[in-house]
Amino acid sequence: DAKTTQPPSMDCAEGRAANLPCNHSTISGNEYVYWYRQIHSQGPQYIIHGLKNNETNEMASLIITEDRKSSTLILPHATLRDTAVYYCIVAGSARQLTFGSGTQLTVLP
Amino acid sequence: GAGVSQSPSNKVTEKGKDVELRCDPISGHTALYWYRQSLGQGLEFLIYFQGNSAPDKSGLPSDRFSAERTGGSVSTLTIQRTQQEDSAVYLCASSPGPPGSNQPQHFGDGTRLSIL
Repeated sequence: DAKTTQPPSMDCAEGRAANLPCNHSTISGNEYVYWYRQIHSQGPQYIIHGLKNNETNEMASLIITEDRKSSTLILPHATLRDTAVYYCIVAGSARQLTFGSGTQLTVLP
Repeated sequence: GAGVSQSPSNKVTEKGKDVELRCDPISGHTALYWYRQSLGQGLEFLIYFQGNSAPDKSGLPSDRFSAERTGGSVSTLTIQRTQQEDSAVYLCASSPGPPGSNQPQHFGDGTRLSIL
């Protein structure tokens, strides 16, 4: 599976949109982009995934560039409970998900 | 609806004892995965089941580790003769379809195992 690169940390003001970037320049045609987050002492929580079209659900939006080499997770109105480590993962047919270091998002009051 | 349930949530045991960790996947999910996460580390894949079968057990760290799944549902991860390096959070995930079906894995909150 392709490797991803994320900034180690980001801050966001409560109520504002949080935009978390991810680079995956070696992604191949059959690989999806998945986003998970992990709050301390909990298991990873699935957020959203996509192949090439932008996706939106009740939690977030996922914007994937046309060349698929990068993506952005958007939390439209961040709350304090959104403080977590966010993981961008590229996965195809492999059985396991490979989590990198992720981005520590801190939502500030 | 009910998510992935793991028990116990915490387990403290003495070195050399055997432990069993249980995972109840989301109903109807055919694929089940075990990972472990050591303090400050990423997730380490251990094993996955498609139905009751585990096609690849090569992720298990040693022969002290074994896992089974019955009825296409509940899975048990067993660690025999525990060692201190086995201390970690053991996470279970399930998904509706097999790897490659591009259906997300949903995780439980894990079992925090501490070996004294």
